[in-house]
Amino acid sequence: GDQVEQSPSALSLHEGTGSALRCNFTTTMRAVQWFQQNSRGSLINLFYLASGTKENGRLKSTFNSKESYSTLHIRDAQLEDSGTYFCAAEANSGGSNAKLTFGKGTKLSVKS
Amino acid sequence: GPKVLQIPSHQIIDMGQMVTLNCDPVSNHLYFYWYKQILGQQMEFLVNFYNGKVMEKSKLFKDQFSVERPDGSYFTLKIQPTALEDSAVYFCASSYYAEQFFGPGTRLTVL
Repeated sequence: GDQVEQSPSALSLHEGTGSALRCNFTTTMRAVQWFQQNSRGSLINLFYLASGTKENGRLKSTFNSKESYSTLHIRDAQLEDSGTYFCAAEANSGGSNAKLTFGKGTKLSVKS
Repeated sequence: GPKVLQIPSHQIIDMGQMVTLNCDPVSNHLYFYWYKQILGQQMEFLVNFYNGKVMEKSKLFKDQFSVERPDGSYFTLKIQPTALEDSAVYFCASSYYAEQFFGPGTRLTVL
Protein backbone atom coordinates (compact mmCIF):
# COMPACT_ATOMS: atom_id res chain seq x y z
CA GLY A 1 0.00 0.00 0.00
CA ASP A 2 0.91 3.67 -0.08
CA GLN A 3 3.60 4.77 2.34
CA VAL A 4 2.12 8.26 2.54
CA GLU A 5 -1.63 8.57 3.14
CA GLN A 6 -2.87 12.12 2.75
CA SER A 7 -6.28 13.44 3.80
CA PRO A 8 -8.65 14.91 2.96
CA SER A 9 -8.43 14.52 -0.82
CA ALA A 10 -10.45 17.70 -1.27
CA LEU A 11 -11.34 20.62 0.97
CA SER A 12 -13.49 23.70 0.51
CA LEU A 13 -13.06 26.70 2.80
CA HIS A 14 -14.61 30.12 3.00
CA GLU A 15 -12.24 33.06 3.18
CA GLY A 16 -11.15 33.72 6.74
CA THR A 17 -11.68 30.18 7.99
CA GLY A 18 -9.11 27.47 8.58
CA SER A 19 -8.52 23.77 8.59
CA ALA A 20 -5.89 21.05 8.84
CA LEU A 21 -4.42 18.64 6.33
CA ARG A 22 -2.83 15.43 7.51
CA CYS A 23 -0.39 12.82 6.27
CA ASN A 24 0.02 9.45 7.91
CA PHE A 25 3.07 7.34 7.19
CA THR A 26 3.13 3.57 7.12
CA THR A 27 6.90 3.43 7.44
CA THR A 28 9.36 5.44 9.55
CA MET A 29 10.11 8.75 7.90
CA ARG A 30 12.94 11.07 8.91
CA ALA A 31 11.73 14.29 7.32
CA VAL A 32 8.73 15.74 5.56
CA GLN A 33 8.20 18.53 3.07
CA TRP A 34 4.93 20.31 2.31
CA PHE A 35 4.29 21.91 -1.07
CA GLN A 36 1.56 23.97 -2.68
CA GLN A 37 1.04 23.24 -6.36
CA ASN A 38 -0.45 26.30 -7.97
CA SER A 39 -2.69 26.60 -11.02
CA ARG A 40 0.34 26.73 -13.33
CA GLY A 41 1.60 23.47 -11.88
CA SER A 42 4.60 24.88 -10.05
CA LEU A 43 5.53 23.40 -6.67
CA ILE A 44 6.07 25.97 -3.96
CA ASN A 45 8.06 24.90 -0.91
CA LEU A 46 6.09 25.54 2.25
CA PHE A 47 7.96 23.62 4.94
CA TYR A 48 10.80 21.21 5.53
CA LEU A 49 10.70 19.48 8.91
CA ALA A 50 12.86 16.83 10.48
CA SER A 51 10.90 17.15 13.73
CA GLY A 52 8.70 19.50 15.73
CA THR A 53 6.65 22.44 14.54
CA LYS A 54 7.29 25.36 12.20
CA GLU A 55 5.12 28.36 11.50
CA ASN A 56 5.15 30.76 8.59
CA GLY A 57 2.45 33.41 8.44
CA ARG A 58 -0.94 31.73 8.30
CA LEU A 59 0.57 28.27 7.94
CA LYS A 60 1.83 25.92 10.61
CA SER A 61 3.20 22.42 10.22
CA THR A 62 4.07 19.65 12.63
CA PHE A 63 6.01 16.43 12.07
CA ASN A 64 5.96 13.59 14.58
CA SER A 65 8.24 10.82 13.39
CA LYS A 66 7.51 8.51 16.32
CA GLU A 67 3.76 8.64 15.75
CA SER A 68 4.22 8.69 11.97
CA TYR A 69 2.24 11.73 10.94
CA SER A 70 2.52 15.31 9.80
CA THR A 71 -0.06 18.07 9.70
CA LEU A 72 -0.43 21.36 7.88
CA HIS A 73 -2.72 23.94 9.45
CA ILE A 74 -4.06 26.83 7.42
CA ARG A 75 -5.75 29.73 9.21
CA ASP A 76 -7.53 32.79 7.84
CA ALA A 77 -7.66 31.23 4.37
CA GLN A 78 -7.34 33.57 1.39
CA LEU A 79 -8.37 33.06 -2.23
CA GLU A 80 -4.72 32.71 -3.28
CA ASP A 81 -4.36 29.68 -0.99
CA SER A 82 -6.38 27.64 -3.49
CA GLY A 83 -4.39 24.85 -5.11
CA THR A 84 -3.28 21.32 -4.40
CA TYR A 85 -1.20 20.66 -1.32
CA PHE A 86 1.20 17.75 -1.18
CA CYS A 87 3.16 16.27 1.64
CA ALA A 88 6.27 14.32 0.71
CA ALA A 89 8.50 12.36 3.05
CA GLU A 90 11.97 10.85 3.14
CA ALA A 91 12.20 7.31 4.44
CA ASN A 92 14.52 6.70 7.37
CA SER A 93 16.45 4.11 5.42
CA GLY A 94 17.42 6.50 2.65
CA GLY A 95 20.82 8.04 2.06
CA SER A 96 21.59 11.70 2.36
CA ASN A 97 19.85 12.37 -0.94
CA ALA A 98 16.84 10.18 -0.31
CA LYS A 99 13.90 10.25 -2.67
CA LEU A 100 10.66 11.90 -1.65
CA THR A 101 7.51 9.78 -1.50
CA PHE A 102 4.49 11.97 -2.16
CA GLY A 103 0.95 11.81 -0.89
CA LYS A 104 -1.90 12.01 -3.38
CA GLY A 105 -2.58 15.62 -2.53
CA THR A 106 -5.37 17.72 -1.05
CA LYS A 107 -7.21 19.95 -3.50
CA LEU A 108 -8.10 23.13 -1.60
CA SER A 109 -10.70 25.58 -2.87
CA VAL A 110 -11.10 28.85 -1.03
CA LYS A 111 -14.32 30.71 -1.76
CA SER A 112 -15.36 34.27 -1.02
CA GLY B 1 13.65 30.90 -2.59
CA PRO B 2 16.15 28.97 -4.70
CA LYS B 3 15.13 28.61 -8.33
CA VAL B 4 15.35 25.53 -10.50
CA LEU B 5 14.74 26.15 -14.19
CA GLN B 6 13.49 23.67 -16.78
CA ILE B 7 13.68 23.88 -20.55
CA PRO B 8 11.44 23.50 -22.50
CA SER B 9 8.16 24.08 -20.69
CA HIS B 10 6.29 22.01 -23.27
CA GLN B 11 7.44 19.39 -25.75
CA ILE B 12 5.36 17.48 -28.26
CA ILE B 13 6.96 14.58 -30.09
CA ASP B 14 6.01 11.50 -32.05
CA MET B 15 6.23 8.09 -30.43
CA GLY B 16 9.60 6.49 -31.05
CA GLN B 17 11.51 9.75 -31.23
CA MET B 18 14.16 10.78 -28.74
CA VAL B 19 13.60 13.64 -26.31
CA THR B 20 15.92 15.44 -23.90
CA LEU B 21 14.54 17.39 -20.98
CA ASN B 22 16.85 20.00 -19.51
CA CYS B 23 17.17 21.16 -15.93
CA ASP B 24 19.22 24.05 -14.60
CA PRO B 25 19.51 23.27 -10.88
CA VAL B 26 20.32 25.70 -8.07
CA SER B 27 23.98 26.63 -8.51
CA ASN B 28 25.49 25.21 -5.31
CA HIS B 29 23.28 22.15 -5.06
CA LEU B 30 24.85 18.71 -5.08
CA TYR B 31 21.95 16.31 -5.52
CA PHE B 32 19.60 16.14 -8.48
CA TYR B 33 16.32 14.35 -9.05
CA TRP B 34 13.65 13.66 -11.65
CA TYR B 35 9.99 13.04 -10.80
CA LYS B 36 7.02 12.24 -13.02
CA GLN B 37 3.45 13.50 -12.56
CA ILE B 38 0.55 12.34 -14.69
CA LEU B 39 -2.48 14.66 -15.06
CA GLY B 40 -1.94 16.59 -11.80
CA GLN B 41 -1.96 13.39 -9.78
CA GLN B 42 0.60 11.89 -7.46
CA MET B 43 4.19 12.83 -8.04
CA GLU B 44 6.42 9.78 -8.48
CA PHE B 45 10.18 9.50 -8.06
CA LEU B 46 12.20 8.46 -11.07
CA VAL B 47 15.88 8.85 -10.25
CA ASN B 48 18.43 10.70 -8.16
CA PHE B 49 21.97 11.66 -9.13
CA TYR B 50 25.04 12.70 -7.21
CA ASN B 51 28.68 13.19 -8.10
CA GLY B 52 28.12 12.06 -11.66
CA LYS B 53 26.30 8.86 -10.76
CA VAL B 54 22.79 7.51 -10.44
CA MET B 55 22.26 6.74 -6.75
CA GLU B 56 18.78 5.27 -6.88
CA LYS B 57 16.13 4.69 -9.52
CA SER B 58 12.54 3.51 -9.39
CA LYS B 59 10.70 0.95 -11.49
CA LEU B 60 9.37 3.85 -13.59
CA PHE B 61 12.93 4.62 -14.73
CA LYS B 62 12.86 2.32 -17.73
CA ASP B 63 15.86 1.19 -19.75
CA GLN B 64 14.96 3.84 -22.33
CA PHE B 65 15.68 6.57 -19.77
CA SER B 66 19.08 8.03 -19.00
CA VAL B 67 20.39 10.99 -17.02
CA GLU B 68 23.61 12.95 -17.04
CA ARG B 69 25.11 16.26 -16.04
CA PRO B 70 28.22 16.79 -18.13
CA ASP B 71 30.71 19.24 -16.54
CA GLY B 72 28.23 21.14 -14.40
CA SER B 73 25.95 22.06 -17.27
CA TYR B 74 22.29 21.09 -17.49
CA PHE B 75 21.06 18.00 -15.68
CA THR B 76 19.27 16.11 -18.43
CA LEU B 77 16.72 13.35 -18.73
CA LYS B 78 16.83 11.59 -22.07
CA ILE B 79 14.15 9.20 -23.27
CA GLN B 80 15.01 7.11 -26.30
CA PRO B 81 12.74 5.87 -27.77
CA THR B 82 9.63 7.51 -26.35
CA ALA B 83 6.36 5.65 -25.76
CA LEU B 84 2.79 6.90 -25.37
CA GLU B 85 2.86 6.22 -21.62
CA ASP B 86 5.76 8.65 -21.25
CA SER B 87 3.31 11.54 -21.64
CA ALA B 88 3.41 13.39 -18.32
CA VAL B 89 4.87 16.41 -16.60
CA TYR B 90 8.48 15.82 -15.61
CA PHE B 91 9.81 17.77 -12.65
CA CYS B 92 13.44 18.28 -11.88
CA ALA B 93 14.54 18.96 -8.32
CA SER B 94 17.82 19.73 -6.63
CA SER B 95 19.07 19.89 -3.06
CA TYR B 96 22.22 20.96 -1.28
CA TYR B 97 21.63 18.36 1.39
CA ALA B 98 18.06 17.40 2.20
CA GLU B 99 15.38 19.98 1.32
CA GLN B 100 14.48 19.58 -2.34
CA PHE B 101 13.51 22.49 -4.59
CA PHE B 102 11.50 21.83 -7.72
CA GLY B 103 11.47 23.34 -11.17
CA PRO B 104 8.23 24.32 -12.92
CA GLY B 105 8.10 21.09 -14.91
CA THR B 106 8.23 20.13 -18.58
CA ARG B 107 4.96 18.90 -20.04
CA LEU B 108 5.81 16.08 -22.46
CA THR B 109 3.19 14.91 -24.93
CA VAL B 110 3.98 11.80 -26.97
CA LEU B 111 1.70 11.32 -29.96
